[in-house]
Amino acid sequence: DVKVTQSSRYLVKRTGEKVFLECVQDMDHENMFWYRQDPGLGLRLIYFSYDVKMKEKGDIPEGYSVSREKKERFSLILESASTNQTSMYLCASSWLRGYTFGSGTRLTVV
Amino acid sequence: GENVEQHPSTLSVQEGDSAVIKCTYSDSASNYFPWYKQELGKGPQLIIDIRSNVGEKKDQRIAVTLNKTAKHFSLHITETQPEDSAVYFCAASRASYNTDKLIFGTGTRLQVFP
Repeated sequence: DVKVTQSSRYLVKRTGEKVFLECVQDMDHENMFWYRQDPGLGLRLIYFSYDVKMKEKGDIPEGYSVSREKKERFSLILESASTNQTSMYLCASSWLRGYTFGSGTRLTVV
Repeated sequence: GENVEQHPSTLSVQEGDSAVIKCTYSDSASNYFPWYKQELGKGPQLIIDIRSNVGEKKDQRIAVTLNKTAKHFSLHITETQPEDSAVYFCAASRASYNTDKLIFGTGTRLQVFP
């Protein structure tokens, strides 16, 4: 089975810190995605990538950036964390059928 | 922009009863419709999907129906069991082989009472 691993399950960061969320997949998938999940809002797409060094903005990219230097790794960067970025962050990868999600990182910004 | 609406937001059923979750989508070019189940503390997991050239698909106790004219699709779970309790998300995409981004509904929390 495809495995998508997110480096941290829980993170607590201070306002203004630069935050890195890491995601690694082990099945050579072309496509990778970052979503955030908030109650009542479902899953909203932040950024996605269809190839190494390629990135595209999703629906809510403001305050975030991404990096994909290697095919298996897709990093989400919060340049200056703010309290409204407190959320569950989900990484996913896909190729041909269906997304495989990681277990998520619950980020709290204080 | 593209939008997927999902109803109800919560659903409680007795074990053994059926559960139905409905979604509507706005992008008429959408042609791939997956459903995900998210258990507590886990990421969403694909449970069934349907493509636009098919009207219905079944997999044991779960089935999905698609009405392209009305732009809506539904998840049906029969003979519900306590382990079906979870949050369910529908989604829609333009790509036939899921090489495009998914637009998700807001989720339905299903509780199955023994």
